[in-house]
Amino acid sequence: AQSVTQPDIHITVSEGASLELRCNYSYGATPYLFWYVQSPGQGLQLLLKYFSGDTLVQGIKGFEAEFKRSQSSFNLRKPSVHWSDAAEYFCAVGATGGSYIPTFGRGTSLIVHP
Amino acid sequence: GAVVSQHPSWVICKSGTSVKIECRSLDFQATTMFWYRQFPKQSLMLMATSNEGSKATYEQGVEKDKFLINHASLTLSTLTVTSAHPEDSSFYICSAPLAGGNTEAFFGQGTRLTVV
Repeated sequence: AQSVTQPDIHITVSEGASLELRCNYSYGATPYLFWYVQSPGQGLQLLLKYFSGDTLVQGIKGFEAEFKRSQSSFNLRKPSVHWSDAAEYFCAVGATGGSYIPTFGRGTSLIVHP
Repeated sequence: GAVVSQHPSWVICKSGTSVKIECRSLDFQATTMFWYRQFPKQSLMLMATSNEGSKATYEQGVEKDKFLINHASLTLSTLTVTSAHPEDSSFYICSAPLAGGNTEAFFGQGTRLTVV
């Protein structure tokens, strides 16, 4: 069975600073990987996804993530954080083949200081 | 991208009553939809998989008589919380993947249920 670990419950950064949110997954084959963002009381918005090909994927709002098979990681990065980026971020893994049901990490809460 | 609409966004109900939450795929057909429950400051926990024209598949520990799911058309799935109690208060989110194979799932905006 697949699983996702987001080791950081909270991350605090200053506005304008760079950001990296960690995500490690467990899956027997090459997975589908996703990062979602959730604002308070809202649903999830897809930031980016990795299915295959280039391991560095670009997403919306200036986010990018890099798939590293050797480390079973899919860390999310942004070079300069804006105050509006404060939200909950979820990494998810989807199984390849068969029914698509994503498994979510517990989430990382991003706090942005002015 | 595809749009999934969830209604209502929030609802307050009295203990013992039932509440229906709708999940609609607005611009695509969804043979499968997923229902999640999210407790404060926690991740999304899959409750059940809704299948058009057939019975839903419930995750272990989820009471199917408590959380009734109906997927009567290719664009609508409903979750009914029956005889709601305060412990059922939570954030419920639906999602639907595009039909035709493995792909990303699109999420509704969620429903905040408060049982008083």
